Amino acid sequence: SQTIHQWPATLVQPVGSPLSLECTVEGTSNPNLYWYRQAAGRGLQLLFYSVGIGQISSEVPQNLSASRPQDRQFILSSKKLLLSDSGFYLCAWGGRGPETQYFGPGTRLLVL
Amino acid sequence: QKEVEQNSGPLSVPEGAIASLNCTYSDRGSQSFFWYRQYSGKSPELIMFIYSNGDKEDGRFTAQLNKASQYVSLLIRDSQPSDSATYLCAVNDPRSGGYQKVTFGTGTKLQVIP
Repeated sequence: SQTIHQWPATLVQPVGSPLSLECTVEGTSNPNLYWYRQAAGRGLQLLFYSVGIGQISSEVPQNLSASRPQDRQFILSSKKLLLSDSGFYLCAWGGRGPETQYFGPGTRLLVL
Repeated sequence: QKEVEQNSGPLSVPEGAIASLNCTYSDRGSQSFFWYRQYSGKSPELIMFIYSNGDKEDGRFTAQLNKASQYVSLLIRDSQPSDSATYLCAVNDPRSGGYQKVTFGTGTKLQVIP
């Protein structure tokens, strides 16, 4: 069965500091991978998606970037965090058929 | 205009009752519809998906789809306190191609009262 991991689970960072969040998937090959952010009381916002190694597409302009160095690894980064980057960051994977997506446990980020 | 709309709630139902959660969407070309459950502080968990008009049942859950009216609903029979969560509706973007974009509603908070 497929498993998706995210770390760290929680993170408190000062404004202007760098960020690196990691997501890995087990039990599947060549998945579509997604990064979402859920701000407090808000819906899920798609940030990035990837259909393969090195293939990244951004949904919204922002302070963040993403990379996919390996088939089942997806990384979300920032060089300098803003207060507005606080939120619940969720990685998801999806297969090639219907658009079913499965979420990892998430990383809660607080920027102070 | 929101693409996927849900009443934020909270929707309060007594234990054992039927909870009815509704969602409307704007894109008539959408073909795939999903319901996720999200407990407070946790990530969303897929509970149902439906592609065809009509009802789809899975245990205590029934998803209902009406493409002509552009709404999808989730019924939870014999509601339990453990069903208390926020329920997210998601709808596919038919123009997203290979990366399979879905758009999420903001969710309906369900409270099941013992």
